[in-house]
Amino acid sequence: QKEVEQDPGPLSVPEGAIVSLNCTYSNSAFQYFMWYRQYSRKGPELLMYTYSSGNKEDGRFTAQVDKSSKYISLFIRDSQPSDSATYLCAMANNYGQNFVFGPGTRLSVLP
Amino acid sequence: GAGVSQTPSNKVTEKGKYVELRCDPISGHTALYWYRQSLGQGPEFLIYFQGTGAADDSGLPNDRFFAVRPEGSVSTLKIQRTERGDSAVYLCASSLLGLARHSTDTQYFGPGTRLTVL
Repeated sequence: QKEVEQDPGPLSVPEGAIVSLNCTYSNSAFQYFMWYRQYSRKGPELLMYTYSSGNKEDGRFTAQVDKSSKYISLFIRDSQPSDSATYLCAMANNYGQNFVFGPGTRLSVLP
Repeated sequence: GAGVSQTPSNKVTEKGKYVELRCDPISGHTALYWYRQSLGQGPEFLIYFQGTGAADDSGLPNDRFFAVRPEGSVSTLKIQRTERGDSAVYLCASSLLGLARHSTDTQYFGPGTRLTVL
């Protein structure tokens, strides 16, 4: 079993849809949870990070962490074609130890 | 301001050759990271520098891989006796303080160097 798992997609949705992206993990020591967006032939860029369990909202993006289930989610409201990219979850212990990325989910938002 | 830059953007080499990949971090960032990303996978951690020293090199796959950051700014990832399995995009990132000092310190990624070993 991989340490962090993500459905690779591709996930295609119509413009304006609510998108749900998810990761599961096996290491209970992870405390920091991040979501990155990566456009084709570009480096990843940080969208959001969350510490421990709970929700965090930033504009159209909401991140949720459920440590009891070892499950994290990213929701995108009112999705736009410009949101089409690969979304990577990432996790780490305290002080960034064992920083691990998931394999990514490719999202296409169709106009 | 300028972001993280990496050169070359593409490198094609033959099996057994030596390659050097360069990373120019954001000015003032003390931490620098190298990752390797294979097709359809997330970035895989290789090494993390805090200043000039390697704070964590646990991700380097074997002794053919080596990285330096002699003046605490530019870093070079060196791969000896390249193998076809080394083909991947090599990503560099930098952050202001470093994850060892600030757990949520944001990493800024460069566009990567696409290495192809024939």
